[in-house]
Amino acid sequence: QLQLQESGPGLVKSSETLSLTCTVSGGSISSSLYYWGWIRQPPGKGLEWIGNIYYSGTTYYNPSLKSRVTMSVDTSKNQFSLKLSSVTAADTALYYCARRVTTSGMGFDYWGQGTLVNVSS
Amino acid sequence: SYELTQPPSVSVSPGQTASITCSGDNLGNKYACWYQQKPGQSPVLVIYKDNKRPSGIPERFSGSNSGNTATLTISGTQAMDEADYYCQAWEGSTGVFGGGTKLTVL
Repeated sequence: QLQLQESGPGLVKSSETLSLTCTVSGGSISSSLYYWGWIRQPPGKGLEWIGNIYYSGTTYYNPSLKSRVTMSVDTSKNQFSLKLSSVTAADTALYYCARRVTTSGMGFDYWGQGTLVNVSS
Repeated sequence: SYELTQPPSVSVSPGQTASITCSGDNLGNKYACWYQQKPGQSPVLVIYKDNKRPSGIPERFSGSNSGNTATLTISGTQAMDEADYYCQAWEGSTGVFGGGTKLTVL
């Protein structure tokens, strides 16, 4: 059974860089069949897509966050990562990693449990 | 930027049919997905490619998409279906979520 697990600091200071890692187990991140994504959810609010990465390193970012987002993949560790720079209180959220099949029309079929990141001033 | 609009809340009586809409410009020309999220849990994909159900999703969940509106329909709604529901589509390679709809079963 595929499992995704987010990890990283739960508290980040304003203006600094948020860094999270998603560790994939029960399957290979190097498969050509999948994209790996990050989605966030501010407390009490809705879901926001942050971006996707392919095992080759090809990335797709939310235009509203593109200037601050960097995603990377480490196939040797079966992990992918998110960096979000210049954070503010508005970036406080539950951050999820998830898998999406590359076929058109597919959604995120496996999700991590999420990790809460608070941005402090 | 592309936007998807959902009603904030929908109420339904147990055993009745619930319909949750998701509106977007020419949404019918894209594929829509739907997620269910219960309090304290990660979202669960319940519909992909407009009307396909992942393995393990009950048959009472169905979807449609035409024109500017995608619809998630829950037939014979059960108390366990009370949750937040989010639609999602792809504008090219960019993912977009609707704002979410809270389904109340009462």
